[in-house]
Amino acid sequence: ETGVTQTPRHLVMGMTNKKSLKCEQHLGHNAMYWYKQSAKKPLELMFVYNFKEQTENNSVPSRFSPECPNSSHLFLHLHTLQPEDSALYLCASSQVTGGGGSNQPQHFGDGTRLSIL
Amino acid sequence: SQQGEEDPQALSIQEGENATMNCSYKTSINNLQWYRQNSGRGLVHLILIRSNEREKHSGRLRVTLDTSKKSSSLLITASRAADTASYFCATAYIIQGAQKLVFGQGTRLTINP
Repeated sequence: ETGVTQTPRHLVMGMTNKKSLKCEQHLGHNAMYWYKQSAKKPLELMFVYNFKEQTENNSVPSRFSPECPNSSHLFLHLHTLQPEDSALYLCASSQVTGGGGSNQPQHFGDGTRLSIL
Repeated sequence: SQQGEEDPQALSIQEGENATMNCSYKTSINNLQWYRQNSGRGLVHLILIRSNEREKHSGRLRVTLDTSKKSSSLLITASRAADTASYFCATAYIIQGAQKLVFGQGTRLTINP
């Protein structure tokens, strides 16, 4: 149990569907992250939220829309996805301290395995 | 690119032997972290080493960092079958107060009983 819960664990959707991935952290952290893990590619950072403010959008297509309503919850809204978007989507959280940054590790959920038909 | 590279991509050893994985990166870092991932699961943090540290230990794990060569290594001593997993190094950069991790491709470690 990592303290970061992702739902659903598996999701199959058509290209015209709209769905959302959910992430919840129970660690009291103030930063949350979305990553994409595709086969044979390094883990790619998609979005960063620091104190609920989005501070990084790593050139992610607009068909992925993040939402962070509070420091414990993070969503990834999906619409009109493409087959190449099939991947494992991982959420992580960490505690960001003041003074120019953080030397704290990130805690990951078990991911949502997304398959686009 | 800030992306790190790991070496080897795959490693298969006998139980009880030591396993060494290497990571190289290209730009200055805040810290470097090693993670482990079992098949179908999320990443689990193993060790974080700061840029001003040279070596760190945690149980059977030993991590070294050489900032002049921009490289790090992870040593697992007395390996066990349960150590079978993928291992990733991640270089950490601070952007607008948040920590950005850039991951390598990973090393797939197999421990044979």
